Amino acid sequence: GENVEQHPSTLSVQEGDSAVIKCTYSDSASNYFPWYKQELGKGPQLIIDIRSNVGEKKDQRIAVTLNKTAKHFSLHITETQPEDSAVYFCAAIISNFGNEKLTFGTGTRLTIIP
Amino acid sequence: GAVVSQHPSRVICKSGTSVKIECRSLDFQATTMFWYRQFPKQSLMLMATSNEGSKATYEQGVEKDKFLINHASLTLSTLTVTSAHPEDSSFYICSARDPGHYGYTFGSGTRLTVV
Repeated sequence: GENVEQHPSTLSVQEGDSAVIKCTYSDSASNYFPWYKQELGKGPQLIIDIRSNVGEKKDQRIAVTLNKTAKHFSLHITETQPEDSAVYFCAAIISNFGNEKLTFGTGTRLTIIP
Repeated sequence: GAVVSQHPSRVICKSGTSVKIECRSLDFQATTMFWYRQFPKQSLMLMATSNEGSKATYEQGVEKDKFLINHASLTLSTLTVTSAHPEDSSFYICSARDPGHYGYTFGSGTRLTVV
């Protein structure tokens, strides 16, 4: 089955600086890669996603890049703000609208230092 | 956007009792819902896939007789933790996918504490 590795496990950045979180996946058939933000005591919230036919996607301060050849994808947060502090999870899925299963990375605890 | 409602948000129960957690898709029909378990400072681990009108598919190592899943309608799936023990204390989260979109929406989670 799919295996997703995520690095780093913790990340502290100064407010206003950029943060980058990286993930690698094992199954080349995976074709959908979402990123989730989880605040303490809450469920994960989708912040951005990318499909395998796209190399990069951006939504305001958040961007995701995908390298299918190397089987890795990254989350980029620019101009970080204190409210960006949370745990971030990457995930991968073989999305064929049938028997699909989301596999999560191990998570990154991001702390924004004011 | 798609909304998934999960209740209760917190529950405390005594050892040996059963607890039911509800997961509802509010503005879409979900033929498939997913149940996850999350321990402190760990990632989400898929427990089972809930299919409307049929039996749930459990992941390896998850006791189907202990974690009963019912998906009786296109908008409701329930997880019942039977004969709960302190080691069942955890954060349980459900998820569903709006068929019109690629993204998976998660509920707000249920913190279960067994005393």
